[in-house]
Amino acid sequence: GNSVTQMEGPVTLSEEAFLTINCTYTATGYPSLFWYVQYPGEGLQLLLKATKADDKGSNKGFEATYRKETTSFHLEKGSVQVSDSAVYFCALRRGGGATNKLIFGTGTLLAVQP
Amino acid sequence: NAGVTQTPKFQVLKTGQSMTLQCAQDMNHNSMYWYRQDPGMGLRLIYYSASEGTTDKGEVPNGYNVSRLNKREFSLRLESAAPSQTSVYFCASSELPSSYNSPLHFGNGTRLTVT
Repeated sequence: GNSVTQMEGPVTLSEEAFLTINCTYTATGYPSLFWYVQYPGEGLQLLLKATKADDKGSNKGFEATYRKETTSFHLEKGSVQVSDSAVYFCALRRGGGATNKLIFGTGTLLAVQP
Repeated sequence: NAGVTQTPKFQVLKTGQSMTLQCAQDMNHNSMYWYRQDPGMGLRLIYYSASEGTTDKGEVPNGYNVSRLNKREFSLRLESAAPSQTSVYFCASSELPSSYNSPLHFGNGTRLTVT
């Protein structure tokens, strides 16, 4: 079936450190891939997305590249800030005209210390 | 600019009690969803409504019912609450049911505890 696997957290970094959060997926067809972010006490917000192989999604300094050959969509940021502390969810939606349902990973908590 | 509004924010129930979680969106979206979030499990889809007048089961529908009251509102009902339903519940909406590029917009969640 379709699934998303994320690295377990928490990930603790100092401000200005480089961030990578790993995400791999299993899916039939050609899924779209997403990263959502959840700040404390809030709902999830779309951070970035990529809809086909080799696409790079980017937003707020975060980037992720859709790698079909390794079935991965790792999230990266060159220099994290304290305000980036949140839970990050990788998600997929499979293609082929399926109804608009997202399959989420378990989430990775990022804590950035000043 | 309300987006997706959920009520209540917090609720404590005793086993066997019933309640309805309310959700409304003001973005004229066609599709609406109910997810539950549990530690180590991520978000799991309970029910969804691809468009007004339709509802379908997600991954974990047992113990829940839904009503798509109109285009704006999608409620989730627990008829007889169980401790296993202790969770944070999120409502979400999206513009199109069949476009996989259409992002989901989430409410801020309802934290439910069943004792």
